[in-house]
Amino acid sequence: AQSVTQLDSQVPVFEEAPVELRCNYSSSVSVYLFWYVQYPNQGLQLLLKYLSGSTLVKGINGFEAEFNKSQTSFHLRKPSVHISDTAEYFCAVRQTGANNLFFGTGTRLTVIP
Amino acid sequence: ETGVTQTPRHLVMGMTNKKSLKCEQHLGHNAMYWYKQSAKKPLELMFVYSLEERVENNSVPSRFSPECPNSSHLFLHLHTLQPEDSALYLCASSFGTYNEQFFGPGTRLTVL
Repeated sequence: AQSVTQLDSQVPVFEEAPVELRCNYSSSVSVYLFWYVQYPNQGLQLLLKYLSGSTLVKGINGFEAEFNKSQTSFHLRKPSVHISDTAEYFCAVRQTGANNLFFGTGTRLTVIP
Repeated sequence: ETGVTQTPRHLVMGMTNKKSLKCEQHLGHNAMYWYKQSAKKPLELMFVYSLEERVENNSVPSRFSPECPNSSHLFLHLHTLQPEDSALYLCASSFGTYNEQFFGPGTRLTVL
């Protein structure tokens, strides 16, 4: 069975500071990894994904994530956050060849002016 | 309209009511999904339709009944719901079930 753990339910950070949102997963087979963002009153939007190849993945809005197979992690980073980055961020994993996306419980990022 | 749309955006219903949620995608996709998003819990996949055939049904109670009349439309029919069914219901679509899913804005459902 697969699962996704986002240990930090809330992360406050000052504007222009760096941020890292943590994601760990458990799976006995190879997986694809995703980060989604949800702004208030909106659906989820894909930020970035890891399917194969380079372990450092760049996404939209200046975000990037690094796949670490040995630590089963896929942490999301941004070197300098903006007020507009305030949102809920979800990590998700899908086993290769399967339909189901498994999501974490989300991390609420609040950027403080 | 572009992307994935959902109506209504908000719905309040009693436990004895019957209502339906509607999802429409304008992306030319052939797979559609229903998810339930409850506070402090991971998104739960409820149903998956691929080429209008249901391919996943994750032990969802029978009071939720999906319908996919064509590849652009997906419905979730609701009847005799419970208060614990109150949640945000998200629809998504993709081109093939192995590709990126695009989400709608959701329907906020409150069961009284």
